[in-house]
Formats: sequence, structure tokens, C-alpha cells
Amino acid sequence: EPEVTQTPSHQVTQMGQEVILRCVPISNHLYFYWYRQILGQKVEFLVSFYNNEISEKSEIFDDQFSVERPDGSNFTLKIRSTKLEDSAMYFCASSVASGRAGGELFFGEGSRLTVL
Amino acid sequence: GENVEQHPSTLSVQEGDSAVIKCTYSDSASNYFPWYKQELGKGPQLIIDIRSNVGEKKDQRIAVTLNKTAKHFSLHITETQPEDSAVYFCAARSPYNTDKLIFGTGTRLQVFP
Repeated sequence: EPEVTQTPSHQVTQMGQEVILRCVPISNHLYFYWYRQILGQKVEFLVSFYNNEISEKSEIFDDQFSVERPDGSNFTLKIRSTKLEDSAMYFCASSVASGRAGGELFFGEGSRLTVL
Repeated sequence: GENVEQHPSTLSVQEGDSAVIKCTYSDSASNYFPWYKQELGKGPQLIIDIRSNVGEKKDQRIAVTLNKTAKHFSLHITETQPEDSAVYFCAARSPYNTDKLIFGTGTRLQVFP
């Protein structure tokens, strides 16, 4: 069964460092997302991406965050200068149809980011 | 904006019993309600979803009901098995020009043999 894959599974970084989290969405999916889950809290939407552009972003997704689809398979989330409060599990998701059109989201296993 | 509340936060049942998890949402325009199961160390996995044009949907031992008037929806698991033990999240999405799912806080279900 096709699945969304994410790397790394766990990354530890120092505050102020740049981090890139990588995702390979399901191959025929066109819409891509990042969500995050701070320990013990809700899963929160960060950003959606389609046709090499951001479709929607939340208030969490400030100038420190960026997303990119550098080639035909990878979808990346970059945090330029990490803060302690960026520590969370980051989930990538993809869908065939857009979220607003009712597309079903398929999530990866997550990348745990720990900022020291 | 949309807010989703989920209860209970933890639920323990004996194998074979039923489990019910309830969610309420605030945006009456929301029209898509998925349920996700998250096992330890894994990402959320879609197990069932319901759209606002139906009141109930069933898939083997899992069913979801939706009450649009009361703005709540529930997950029902019958004949629970130890492998049903996980964290379950409900979510809701508004149709108005948004991609994002709003998640509930999760319910940790433990099924004891």
C-alpha cells in the first residue's frame, strides 16, 4: 500500500539552527501538507501546498518556516532559526484532491524535532 | 474559527465491549468529519470519515454518526480487540475556502484482554 514517508524520524538541534524535514508524498497525490503536534496537544495545521505554491498557511507558519518541492518527489519543511517552542512532532500529509474539495489526507509517521 | 472538542481523553474497556468517543464542533458549516487512529510512534491513520449529507456510516466494527443540529459526531467501535488500543482523533473541516483539518484533543483507548 502506498504511503507517505518522512525523514528523519528524530532530529535534535540547538536553538537558532536551521532544520529541514523531508517528506515523500504518495506518488499520484497533488496536494501536500504539514501539520505539527506539540507533546500532549492537538494536531495543528501549518501549511498546504499545491502546484509549487502555498495554498494556505496558519498563523503558526511565520517567516521562520518555508516549504519547497525541490524535485518531483520530495516535499520539505524548513525552519530557519529554531526556537525551543518548535519542539514537536511534524507530520507530512498528502491527498489526491484538495482539502477544501474534500480530499482524504494520508499522513506520514512523523519527524520528531527536539530543540535544545 | 472552528473548534473541536473531544471526550473522553482516556477510555478503558474490556475486550469484546463497545467503545464510544464523542466530538463536538463549533462551525455549523463544517461538512467533513474524519477519524484518525494513531498508534505509538506512527502517524495518524484515517479509519473512517463522514460527510454532512449522511447521518451514519459503518465499516465492519467501526461506525460514525453525525448530528448536524447538535453539531456533534461520534465514533463507535464494537467488539473491541486489544489491537484497537491507540489514540483516536476526530477532526472537522469547513468547506469555505480552507484546506485545514481542525483536530480534537485525542482519546487514548485501552482494550484489556
